[in-house]
Amino acid sequence: DIQMTQSPSSLSASVGDRVTITCRASQTISTSLNWYQQRPGKAPKLLIFAASSLQSGVPSRFSGSGSGTDFTLTISSLQPEDFATYYCQQSYTTLMYTFGQGTKLEIK
Amino acid sequence: EVQLVQSGAEVKKPGESLNISCKGSGYTFANYWIGWVRQMPGKGLEWMGIIYPGDSDARYSPSFEGQVSISTDNSISTAYVQWSSLKASDTAIYFCVRDGGNSGIAYWGQGTLVTVSS
Repeated sequence: DIQMTQSPSSLSASVGDRVTITCRASQTISTSLNWYQQRPGKAPKLLIFAASSLQSGVPSRFSGSGSGTDFTLTISSLQPEDFATYYCQQSYTTLMYTFGQGTKLEIK
Repeated sequence: EVQLVQSGAEVKKPGESLNISCKGSGYTFANYWIGWVRQMPGKGLEWMGIIYPGDSDARYSPSFEGQVSISTDNSISTAYVQWSSLKASDTAIYFCVRDGGNSGIAYWGQGTLVTVSS
């Protein structure tokens, strides 16, 4: 199994801050890495696919980068609605995916 | 518009059986893999398994193999996950998703809360 490790597990930040979340795969996954946002009581929402492609309708303050084993999600200027939990997910192993443990982004 | 609509919350006792469902609409149901994701209380997302409605090819994550069964009824565009004997540790929210491969998972059901308690 490919293990996905996110850091940090939680993060406090203020509106307007630039924030970066990291995801590391236990083996190379090329660019088969997706990012999701989950607000309390809601289903996850796709933000970034294939490491760096912005999903339609997602604000441009979200961006992704990386390849191989190391990936980042960056939010350039935090907005109030961005305080949520973020997950990475590898789609390298066809049909048998794994998620990171999540990063909870809280208001400072 | 693609939609996945799941069945409502369930409260069950240990040892009971359960089916929860996920109805797809707005696309050709048979042509896309449908997966299931578990989220235990206060925890992260876990991939359970996936099924191709076109030929009922089902694949399970090792942690869920033998614990659940995934199926579909293409006549009503619905996927199911089934438990034959629930445990308290099955208490969780279960999401169905339409697989997008390397395009990510853009379509999620609203989630079904399953509570197993004596």
